[in-house]
Amino acid sequence: AQTVTQSQPEMSVQEAETVTLSCTYDTSESDYYLFWYKQPPSRQMILVIRQEAYKQQNATENRFSVNFQKAAKSFSLKISDSQLGDAAMYFCAYRRSGGSNYKLTFGKGTLLTVNP
Amino acid sequence: GAGVSQSPSNKVTEKGKDVELRCDPISGHTALYWYRQSLGQGLEFLIYFQGNSAPDKSGLPSDRFSAERTGGSVSTLTIQRTQQEDSAVYLCASSPKRGGPSTDTQYFGPGTRLTVL
Repeated sequence: AQTVTQSQPEMSVQEAETVTLSCTYDTSESDYYLFWYKQPPSRQMILVIRQEAYKQQNATENRFSVNFQKAAKSFSLKISDSQLGDAAMYFCAYRRSGGSNYKLTFGKGTLLTVNP
Repeated sequence: GAGVSQSPSNKVTEKGKDVELRCDPISGHTALYWYRQSLGQGLEFLIYFQGNSAPDKSGLPSDRFSAERTGGSVSTLTIQRTQQEDSAVYLCASSPKRGGPSTDTQYFGPGTRLTVL
């Protein structure tokens, strides 16, 4: 079974600074997808960024980028120029590529605090 | 357009009572997922619907939990004889399943917070 581990229960960052959230995963499959979701206090899970395992290029979305190390099974999220609105719980998630069930396997989350 | 909606937003019930949680997916989304978010276990997959059928129910924790989907749209998660350990946030997500796995994205609702006293 696939597992996702987020080793940092909490992180904090100063506004406008950069922070990196860690995620490692375990899988025997060669093709899969990785995601970072953000969950603010409203509870609504919002997709931040996605990465296809077969792509070597790291995904970027504006101030958000990932460092995908397939051999190390590592998938960290970097948030640049942190803003107060970035404060939330962040979840790393894994999804298989094959089959028809695209269910997500989540890590336990990292609570990010942004200090003004 | 409208996103995924869930009702009720919060539900408080007494141990032993039955509860129904509702999910309205985005119109046209054929896939629907239920997840449970609890303090001790994090986010766990419960059940997956494709249309009205549920090919994967592997995450349902016990036979007290059941779910159905009708008309390829609304889904209801039912918990019978609720226990205190059922207290959690129940999240629903839907996805279009068009274009294959590389483009598919799950859109989440705001969840239902269930408290069992």
